[in-house]
Amino acid sequence: QVQLQESGPGLVKPSQTLSLTCTVSGGSISSGGYYWNWVRQHPGKGLEWIGYIYYSGSTYYSPSLKSRVTISVDTSKNQFSLKLSSVTAADTAVYYCASQGCTACGFGYWGQGTLVTVSS
Amino acid sequence: QSVLTQPPSASGTPGQRVTISCSGSSSNIGSNTVNWYQQLPGTAPKLLIYRNNQRPSGVPDRFSGSKSGTSASLAVSGLQSEDEADYYCATWDDNLNNWVFGGGTKLTVL
Repeated sequence: QVQLQESGPGLVKPSQTLSLTCTVSGGSISSGGYYWNWVRQHPGKGLEWIGYIYYSGSTYYSPSLKSRVTISVDTSKNQFSLKLSSVTAADTAVYYCASQGCTACGFGYWGQGTLVTVSS
Repeated sequence: QSVLTQPPSASGTPGQRVTISCSGSSSNIGSNTVNWYQQLPGTAPKLLIYRNNQRPSGVPDRFSGSKSGTSASLAVSGLQSEDEADYYCATWDDNLNNWVFGGGTKLTVL
């Protein structure tokens, strides 16, 4: 059973870079065919997809966030990470990491989520 | 405003059958399969239905999904109190090149 766990600062100052890590257990992040995603949820609102990194290392980002997002992977630690630059209060949200077994499979495994607040 | 349109709320009594709709367009639901997620209060979303009507292992067969044209729906039969949650539809949008979600439907068991 694959498990995902987000970690990182819960408070980030405006204009700084938000950095989160997702640790994968119960399976290898290098497993063929898997997409490793980041999704966020603004307080009391719906879900917003941020982007993914494919097991091969290729990435794809939401066009609306593309200029500020970087997703990377560390296979030695079985982790993947999210960096979101130039944050504002509008980036305050619960951030989830989620895995996807194929393009049409849906996000089958999710982390518990971590609240990141952008405030000075 | 969400790309996919869901009713903000739905309700039913225990044992009833409830359906939740999800309306999109030719560039999203019309071209791609639909997934549904259940989010219990204070928890992460959980995949409920994928590829329009497939249930992951462990999801009760009380939950079913369907798609027709540019709309999809989730049906919950034999409603139980533990089904009280937010439900989201999702699919890929070929124009936006993005995963898109519905705004969510809060299901209340009366």
